Amino acid sequence: GAGVSQSPSNKVTEKGKDVELRCDPISGHTALYWYRQSLGQGLEFLIYFQGNSAPDKSGLPSDRFSAERTGGSVSTLTIQRTQQEDSAVYLCASSSYDRDYEQYFGPGTRLTVT
Amino acid sequence: KQEVTQIPAALSVPEGENLVLNCSFTDSAIYNLQWFRQDPGKGLTSLLLIQSSQREQTSGRLNASLDKSSGRSTLYIAASQPGDSATYLCAVRWYSSASKIIFGSGTRLSIRP
Repeated sequence: GAGVSQSPSNKVTEKGKDVELRCDPISGHTALYWYRQSLGQGLEFLIYFQGNSAPDKSGLPSDRFSAERTGGSVSTLTIQRTQQEDSAVYLCASSSYDRDYEQYFGPGTRLTVT
Repeated sequence: KQEVTQIPAALSVPEGENLVLNCSFTDSAIYNLQWFRQDPGKGLTSLLLIQSSQREQTSGRLNASLDKSSGRSTLYIAASQPGDSATYLCAVRWYSSASKIIFGSGTRLSIRP
């Protein structure tokens, strides 16, 4: 595709439910990143994928958060048993070695936990 | 600890002025530094990427410089326009943790017509 896409654009869920957020990176980009941006805050790194593997999961805030990437392309971020503090905008970015790892961001998914 | 700081948090200037946004970072062994703009409710748009070996990059009215020894980067915006109003973020990738990028908290820029 022309850019990074994310779905859904908005998600409202009840506390305790599980949610899945999807990221479709730019075709051919081997690296994929998930970030979280809380209201009025900066970007918080969550996880990085190189291909299908995730060498750096250090940013995941708790074991309720997990992510996977299949076929070196689409990635899913799953939040189990959502809490109100999970409310934020979740941003995905992709990059590739031949572009000096310049990051391109998707529009984000705004998650609201009620 | 690797950190990225942007000061000021907010800046308001009249249209037409030239301005400089600052980004400072600890640990000079950076791989690259990237400047972004973020419009309200939107994702991030890449403005400029500076590699470790470079001193500056230019795109239109924007010029970004890098001084690793002092741990600083500046984003210069010439002849500012109301459409430049946005939050500007810098992000740093280090060699020691090349998979992890740390963002500054941003400078919210407002250009008054």
